[in-house]
Amino acid sequence: QKEVEQNSGPLSVPEGAIASLNCTYSDRGSQSFFWYRQYSGKSPELIMFIYSNGDKEDGRFTAQLNKASQYVSLLIRDSQPSDSATYLCAVNHKAAGNKLTFGGGTRVLVKP
Amino acid sequence: DGGITQSPKYLFRKEGQNVTLSCEQNLNHDAMYWYRQDPGQGLRLIYYSQIVNDFQKGDIAEGYSVSREKKESFPLTVTSAQKNPTAFYLCASSQHSGSGANVLTFGAGSRLTVL
Repeated sequence: QKEVEQNSGPLSVPEGAIASLNCTYSDRGSQSFFWYRQYSGKSPELIMFIYSNGDKEDGRFTAQLNKASQYVSLLIRDSQPSDSATYLCAVNHKAAGNKLTFGGGTRVLVKP
Repeated sequence: DGGITQSPKYLFRKEGQNVTLSCEQNLNHDAMYWYRQDPGQGLRLIYYSQIVNDFQKGDIAEGYSVSREKKESFPLTVTSAQKNPTAFYLCASSQHSGSGANVLTFGAGSRLTVL
């Protein structure tokens, strides 16, 4: 079982709709959860991170964390063609040297 | 502007050769990391360093070596022992945020191709 799992996609979303991405993790000791966006051939860019159960909003993005069910999700509202990218979920476990473990990423395609 | 500089951006290597990828940061971050990314896949941790003169193996350290002689620099050597080195290599650094979250900042990456 992979430590961090994501559906590889592609997730096809009409422009203006909500894109919903999910990520599950296996280590219950995980403490911080990150979403990165990666355009093709480029390096990942941080969208946001969350470490408390519940929702955290930043502009058009909302991260949702449920530690009991061991999942974290990302919602992208009013999706734009420029949101077409691969979205990487990453999990941090402080006791494991504070390193981040990444999922395989979900490819999102926003169609005009 | 502060950031992470990786060089070279593209590198071609013949089988049996060692190559060294450079990573320099001026963010005054304590921790530095090397990840490898294969096509269509996520990032896998090769090595990381939390302080100068100390580093730890990640999940796929075999065939790689690193050094951390200066806070700003964390070069990665891909040795001939690495059987499948063709990949996109990403260097990152981090400074813990006030919340305790370990936020990584990435360099632009180095794409290594073995001929």
